[in-house]
Amino acid sequence: DAKTTQPNSMESNEEEPVHLPCNHSTISGTDYIHWYRQLPSQGPEYVIHGLTSNVNNRMASLAIAEDRKSSTLILHRATLRDAAVYYCAYISGNTGKLIFGQGTTLQVKP
Amino acid sequence: DAGVIQSPRHEVTEMGQEVTLRCKPISGHNSLFWYRQTMMRGLELLIYFNNNVPIDDSGMPEDRFSAKMPNASFSTLKIQPSEPRDSAVYFCASSYSSGKVYEQYFGPGTRLTVT
Repeated sequence: DAKTTQPNSMESNEEEPVHLPCNHSTISGTDYIHWYRQLPSQGPEYVIHGLTSNVNNRMASLAIAEDRKSSTLILHRATLRDAAVYYCAYISGNTGKLIFGQGTTLQVKP
Repeated sequence: DAGVIQSPRHEVTEMGQEVTLRCKPISGHNSLFWYRQTMMRGLELLIYFNNNVPIDDSGMPEDRFSAKMPNASFSTLKIQPSEPRDSAVYFCASSYSSGKVYEQYFGPGTRLTVT
């Protein structure tokens, strides 16, 4: 399987934007990039996904590099409730098989 | 909708005992996934079903693990016999698949401790 690489941890101040990077240089051209987050003692929660174009939803934005070797999850204004582990993942083709990276622990300081 | 329901939420058992974890997916979803999460290995996909049929069980660690989905609203993951290294949080997730990629909805997990 291909692999995603993320920093172990990041810090942000409340109400500032956060850019969470992910490297996925070995995924194939048909693999969708997904982001999930996991709050303490909960299951992962879907955030956003995309293939080639940048994507926006109510939770976040996803910026995908033109060569698709990396992507960035953007939280426009971090809140204390955004403190979580953020996972970059990919789905191989249309299999539905989601492969998770190791995740980035985001701390948000008031 | 109540979301994905898993039971029990916590299970403590002794080595050698049989453990059965249960999952009720979201109504209308046709794909179901079992994951295991540990500090060492992170989140790992064990097996997934599409329309109640197992599609990929390559993540199942060994023959002690088995999973079934007898109908669209129920699945089980069984470990027999259990071992201390099976201690982990087991998540069930469901999604709707129709050739397109959709998000997966995770349950709250079952924390398994094998002593």
